[in-house]
Amino acid sequence: SAVISQKPSRDICQRGTSLTIQCQVDSQVTMMFWYRQQPGQSLTLIATANQGSEATYESGFVIDKFPISRPNLTFSTLTVSNMSPEDSSIYLCSVGFGGLYEQYFGPGTRLTVT
Amino acid sequence: AQKITQTQPGMFVQEKEAVTLDCTYDTSDQSYGLFWYKQPSSGEMIFLIYQGSYDEQNATEGRYSLNFQKARKSANLVISASQLGDSAMYFCAMSYNTDKLIFGTGTRLQVFP
Repeated sequence: SAVISQKPSRDICQRGTSLTIQCQVDSQVTMMFWYRQQPGQSLTLIATANQGSEATYESGFVIDKFPISRPNLTFSTLTVSNMSPEDSSIYLCSVGFGGLYEQYFGPGTRLTVT
Repeated sequence: AQKITQTQPGMFVQEKEAVTLDCTYDTSDQSYGLFWYKQPSSGEMIFLIYQGSYDEQNATEGRYSLNFQKARKSANLVISASQLGDSAMYFCAMSYNTDKLIFGTGTRLQVFP
């Protein structure tokens, strides 16, 4: 397993601004992902954070809106840019160890955009 | 394309009783993983149990067991001896293509005394 922390745990932001969310893991992991959970909905994958290269985005998500960094095997950031109220969600990072095995989530960042 | 279906929006169970949460999946992949997560009101996603597509025996973790029926493409979660603290949303998920997860819509479980 892995211990995962996220900062901030929650934030209230004004529309048009940007927020960067950090995800820190206590051990080196192969895979890191970012998910979004809109109110009352299930989780949707935003992108795979690739170490040392550009993230791989899922359909409907673009780098200009959700830039992602992963400078090493234990840390990643997700930025939500030019926010609108529709971006109000819980954002979660997750880590995997390769091979379709167990995957663990961070505690999430609860974002409200006013 | 991969798909996860949870047909029970909500379930009620009495404390100390067992409950089954349903999950069916669709995939053309031969190798995949099936997961169950618990999400309390705090929003965190708590990993409960994992079943690999090639595992012949059903996975068990304490009071949780996964009833894996590959031919029927079902992966139901069984919670034995329910506790009040089990009240939460439960999500079934499937991994594909280097650990990406696709989630079902979830089942809200409420345990009453």
